[in-house]
Amino acid sequence: QKEVEQNSGPLSVPEGAIASLNCTYSDRGSQSFFWYRQYSGKSPELIMSIYSNGDKEDGRFTAQLNKASQYVSLLIRDSQPSDSATYLCAVSNFNKFYFGSGTKLNVKP
Amino acid sequence: ETGVTQTPRHLVMGMTNKKSLKCEQHLGHNAMYWYKQSAKKPLELMFVYSLEERVENNSVPSRFSPECPNSSHLFLHLHTLQPEDSALYLCASSQTGESSYEQYFGPGTRLTVT
Repeated sequence: QKEVEQNSGPLSVPEGAIASLNCTYSDRGSQSFFWYRQYSGKSPELIMSIYSNGDKEDGRFTAQLNKASQYVSLLIRDSQPSDSATYLCAVSNFNKFYFGSGTKLNVKP
Repeated sequence: ETGVTQTPRHLVMGMTNKKSLKCEQHLGHNAMYWYKQSAKKPLELMFVYSLEERVENNSVPSRFSPECPNSSHLFLHLHTLQPEDSALYLCASSQTGESSYEQYFGPGTRLTVT
């Protein structure tokens, strides 16, 4: 079983729609949860971090965490073509850091 | 990208060469990481240094040798690599304490082994 599971996609959404990205993890001791965006040929860029159950909003992005279900999600409102990228879910337990394989998002104009 | 820098950005080397990758962080962090990213594979954590001590070594072949002379600098020494080692090598840094903090990545070194 992989430490972090993500649907590889691609997830295609029209411009202006809400994109919903999901992630499950296996380590119940995980304490920190992150979403990274990676454009093709570039390095991952941190866009959201969340540490407690519930929702955390930052601009058009909302991260949701449910530790009981071992589930993390990222919602992107008013999706733009510039949001087209691979989104990596990362989970941390102190110095142990695990990344998912990423979900490729395509936002169509 | 200026928080964590990596050099060189691109490297082509033969299997008998010896080269080194360099990473420098300007964020005041106390932990640094080396990752390997191959096509269509998740990021693979290679090494972790916390307070300049290696705390993680994920069964990486000995042809990869890390060095962390201080909390701002991290090197990855390469020798007798194989073609399957061709990948994007990413350095990251974070501030660790009682709980884990965000990792920030450098731009990466695209390595091709011929």
